[in-house]
Amino acid sequence: QKEVEQNSGPLSVPEGAIASLNCTYSDRGSQSFFWYRQYSGKSPELIMFIYSNGDKEDGRFTAQLNKASQYVSLLIRDSQPSDSATYLCAVNGGGATNKLIFGTGTLLAVQP
Amino acid sequence: GAVVSQHPSWVICKSGTSVKIECRSLDFQATTMFWYRQFPKQSLMLMATSNEGSKATYEQGVEKDKFLINHASLTLSTLTVTSAHPEDSSFYICSATTMGETESLIGLGLEFFGPGTRLTVL
Repeated sequence: QKEVEQNSGPLSVPEGAIASLNCTYSDRGSQSFFWYRQYSGKSPELIMFIYSNGDKEDGRFTAQLNKASQYVSLLIRDSQPSDSATYLCAVNGGGATNKLIFGTGTLLAVQP
Repeated sequence: GAVVSQHPSWVICKSGTSVKIECRSLDFQATTMFWYRQFPKQSLMLMATSNEGSKATYEQGVEKDKFLINHASLTLSTLTVTSAHPEDSSFYICSATTMGETESLIGLGLEFFGPGTRLTVL
């Protein structure tokens, strides 16, 4: 059973701080990794994807991947109250269908 | 990013009736579409994988005769909830992806989600 695990939170950070969201996965053969943001009552929105070890930066967001440790993280710099949402980590399960395996998500609360 | 639409955005129906939800990829051709269900305060649960022109592949525990999926074209997939009951009330979300595109778009099998359909069965 391929698994993706996240701390459900809530993770509470003050406005302007760095929020660090973490995710581990069980399938060592996984190739690509995704972070989605989901506001309450809305569908997930793709924030970033990463497939190479190391860091990938996009604006205030940085995704970090360590395949040896089977660990992927998302850093949000200068957190804003509008960043308050559930962040879903997803791993490409591979195979012909290329379906994603989602973690249960981490609820982030940015305090003004 | 690529745009995926869903219709309707919400629907209320009586128990025993059938409801059809449409999922469309607006600006790209989706070789694969996925259907998810999400109950309150829970994560996404994949229901089925739909490939254009072929039968859908259902996840374990999902009744294929209850949740009918049709993927008749590269831009449209439909989910029909047959004989809906109150326990089917949920947030249904589709996503679309494709393979073989340039890496700048969706070469990694990126999934783009529709806005979701909230189904309430009375």
